[in-house]
Amino acid sequence: SYVLTQPPSVSVAPGKTARITCGGNNIGSKSVHWYQQKPGQAPVVVIYYNSDRPSGIPERFSGSNSGNTATLTISRVEVGDEADYYCQVWDSSSDWVFGGGTTLTVL
Amino acid sequence: QVHLVESGGGLVKPGGSLRLSCAASGFTFSDYYMSWIRQAPGKGLEWVSYISSSGTTKYYADFVKGRFTISRDNAKNSLYLQMNSLRAEDTAVYSCARPSGRDLDFFDHWGQGTLVTVSS
Repeated sequence: SYVLTQPPSVSVAPGKTARITCGGNNIGSKSVHWYQQKPGQAPVVVIYYNSDRPSGIPERFSGSNSGNTATLTISRVEVGDEADYYCQVWDSSSDWVFGGGTTLTVL
Repeated sequence: QVHLVESGGGLVKPGGSLRLSCAASGFTFSDYYMSWIRQAPGKGLEWVSYISSSGTTKYYADFVKGRFTISRDNAKNSLYLQMNSLRAEDTAVYSCARPSGRDLDFFDHWGQGTLVTVSS
């Protein structure tokens, strides 16, 4: 089965840039999607197809994917960005696969 | 706007059964594939099952195969998950979600979920 690996936590100061990684075997050959989940709320897709941003998601959110690592980048981080972030791919042997999630803390 | 509301969760003993429902609104339900995704307390997201728009194609994660059954009633704009032979490790919030994209490979709308607790 296909495995996605995320760091459990990332901390960043307000106004700085947060980078959340998602590792997987040759993940650069797959489409990666990112979700933001705030406590008690349903997940919201913030990046799809590696770098596309849904309407309503700030331009501060961006994504990249190459080799064995995909990255969600949040620029000019705000306190309101504190949440759990999950990467996700579709794999032919595992169907929809999620990473373990990363808790973003804004210091 | 798209609205997905789950119901039917609760406390059930190991080996017991439960039927979850998901009421959909704000879109043409019969045009869309649907999925169930779960999240154990304090844990990450885990895909459970998927059903085609007509209901003829169904997929399950290995850990629920033979125990869970997904179904839908397009006339009632509703999605269901029949859960049998429940185990403690099935304890989780179960959410319905709508697959999207050119290959239906991500989920563009999610419900808030309903909590299933399996405990004696």
